[in-house]
Amino acid sequence: AQKITQTQPGMFVQEKEAVTLDCTYDTSDPSYGLFWYKQPSSGEMIFLIYQGSYDQQNATEGRYSLNFQKARKSANLVISASQLGDSAMYFCAMREGNFGNEKLTFGTGTRLTIIP
Amino acid sequence: GAVVSQHPSWVICKSGTSVKIECRSLDFQATTMFWYRQFPKQSLMLMATSNEGSKATYEQGVEKDKFLINHASLTLSTLTVTSAHPEDSSFYICSALGALGTEAFFGQGTRLTVV
Repeated sequence: AQKITQTQPGMFVQEKEAVTLDCTYDTSDPSYGLFWYKQPSSGEMIFLIYQGSYDQQNATEGRYSLNFQKARKSANLVISASQLGDSAMYFCAMREGNFGNEKLTFGTGTRLTIIP
Repeated sequence: GAVVSQHPSWVICKSGTSVKIECRSLDFQATTMFWYRQFPKQSLMLMATSNEGSKATYEQGVEKDKFLINHASLTLSTLTVTSAHPEDSSFYICSALGALGTEAFFGQGTRLTVV
């Protein structure tokens, strides 16, 4: 079974609009972490935002915010005021397991294209 | 943010030879590092988790005798692709987990081409 599910293979969004990228996860660990990364065509992985399972508030980093709904096991990324430079692949990832036994697994990704 | 350096960034090798890829955390100690393989237009597939001073934990379906992982120090993990074949050609990328588990820093990736 998929640990991380991203149901949107591709999205096209008008510049300056907000965009929500979906991510659902599956784990039985009480303690876990959720990450979002951006991967431009160069291949580098750019960290965007992190949400811990025990964090009470939704994480925010500049134009990025994470809509964390623990009961639904979803961790959607919201990008406000999209820019042309936001066009890239976006991956949701989950860290689970205890110290020395951790894993960081990725979803299939969403290709976001910002239209001028 | 912290820096993880992966070397080489690209390599071309002949079929049957071995290739070593290095992943260094430059400004922090990484007890846990991850190795991934990524095919074009696909996601990152976790190959193995490497913990300093112990044997790597391989994901199901990954041949541990073919993909040798060594994590001898808190700043260096290596992946050696042994007896490489054209089907091993791929983008390999490493990640180092921060101490609190709230950060995972990635290397630049290595594009391996086996001819």
